Amino acid sequence: DSGVTQTPKHLITATGQRVTLRCSPRSGDLSVYWYQQSLDQGLQFLIHYYNGEERAKGNILERFSAQQFPDLHSELNLSSLELGDSALYFCASSDGIRRSQETQYFGPGTRLLVL
Amino acid sequence: QQQVKQSPQSLIVQKGGISIINCAYENTAFDYFPWYQQFPGKGPALLIAIRPDVSEKKEGRFTISFNKSAKQFSLHIMDSQPGDSATYFCAALSTGGGNKLTFGTGTQLKVEL
Repeated sequence: DSGVTQTPKHLITATGQRVTLRCSPRSGDLSVYWYQQSLDQGLQFLIHYYNGEERAKGNILERFSAQQFPDLHSELNLSSLELGDSALYFCASSDGIRRSQETQYFGPGTRLLVL
Repeated sequence: QQQVKQSPQSLIVQKGGISIINCAYENTAFDYFPWYQQFPGKGPALLIAIRPDVSEKKEGRFTISFNKSAKQFSLHIMDSQPGDSATYFCAALSTGGGNKLTFGTGTQLKVEL
């Protein structure tokens, strides 16, 4: 158990809908990262938040947005969903302070299925 | 552009044998190279990691070999066990580049009895 929690575990929705994925980082970790895992694209970095501020963006669609709250949990919002958005979405966290900040611990993921 | 190339895509090894997975990178700004292990339905779990100032790191049965000049690194699993059957991902990160992990495409390892 990495200490990173994600909810829900599974999500089934329809095209055009909006969903919110939630992540709680390990205790004490200030950085939260979101990744998408799909069969055709592999594991892709989406976005990084550090202590509530956006730090880096990857291949994140404009339909997707994220935020990190004062209690350090993070939410990934996916809107106007398309079939191709079906994937596993992982959250990872790191302490963001010491040299070991690059060590990222992954949660169990949310499996999203868009029908 | 695939910045981290991983091979082979799949690997079958006999129990007790050595599993070897290779990765090559292009971006010289990468300065941290972790390997993750992923079981079906689970998130990637950090296995072992190396920084480019060392050429080898060993933790138990797992060893990373790193060749900075060739921009290549590999994972060796000694005495492979059926419980090692999983998908392995190499990754690379630039601590000055937002700490985003760039992953290889993964290797499905199967260890047979």
